[in-house]
Amino acid sequence: GENVEQHPSTLSVQEGDSAVIKCTYSDSASNYFPWYKQELGKRPQLIIDIRSNVGEKKDQRIAVTLNKTAKHFSLHITETQPEDSAVYFCAASGPGNTPLVFGKGTRLSVIA
Amino acid sequence: GAVVSQHPSRVICKSGTSVKIECRSLDFQATTMFWYRQFPKQSLMLMATSNEGSKATYEQGVEKDKFLINHASLTLSTLTVTSAHPEDSSFYICSARDPKGTAYEQYFGPGTRLTVT
Repeated sequence: GENVEQHPSTLSVQEGDSAVIKCTYSDSASNYFPWYKQELGKRPQLIIDIRSNVGEKKDQRIAVTLNKTAKHFSLHITETQPEDSAVYFCAASGPGNTPLVFGKGTRLSVIA
Repeated sequence: GAVVSQHPSRVICKSGTSVKIECRSLDFQATTMFWYRQFPKQSLMLMATSNEGSKATYEQGVEKDKFLINHASLTLSTLTVTSAHPEDSSFYICSARDPKGTAYEQYFGPGTRLTVT
């Protein structure tokens, strides 16, 4: 089955700097790669996603890149703000009604 | 986006008792729902895939006789934790895809915090 690895597990950046979180996946059939932000005790919140027919997607300060050949995808947050502090999860899933497989998460701390 | 609800949001039960958690898709029909479990400071781990009108598919290591899943309608899946023990204390989250949507995005319920004393 699918296995998703996520790095780093913790990340501290100064406010205004960029943050990058990287994930790799194992199943070449996976074709959907979402990123979630999770506040303590809350459901995961989708912040951006990318499908396998796209190499890069951007939404304001957030961007995701996908390298299908290498089976890795990354989350880029620019101009970080204290409210970006949270736990971020990457995930991968295949076509149809297949479940998401999550990475272990990255705790991002943005220091003002 | 589509809405998924869960009930209860929090539950405390005594060891040895059973607890039922409901997951509802409010504005779409879901033939498949997913149940995840999240321990403190850990990731979401898939427990089982709930299929309307048929048996659930459990992930390796998840006891099907302990975690009973019933997907009786296109909008409701239930997870019953039987003979709960303190090690079952966790955050349980369900999700589903809206077949009218992108067919990729999953919509998560708000989660249920289970504490077994």
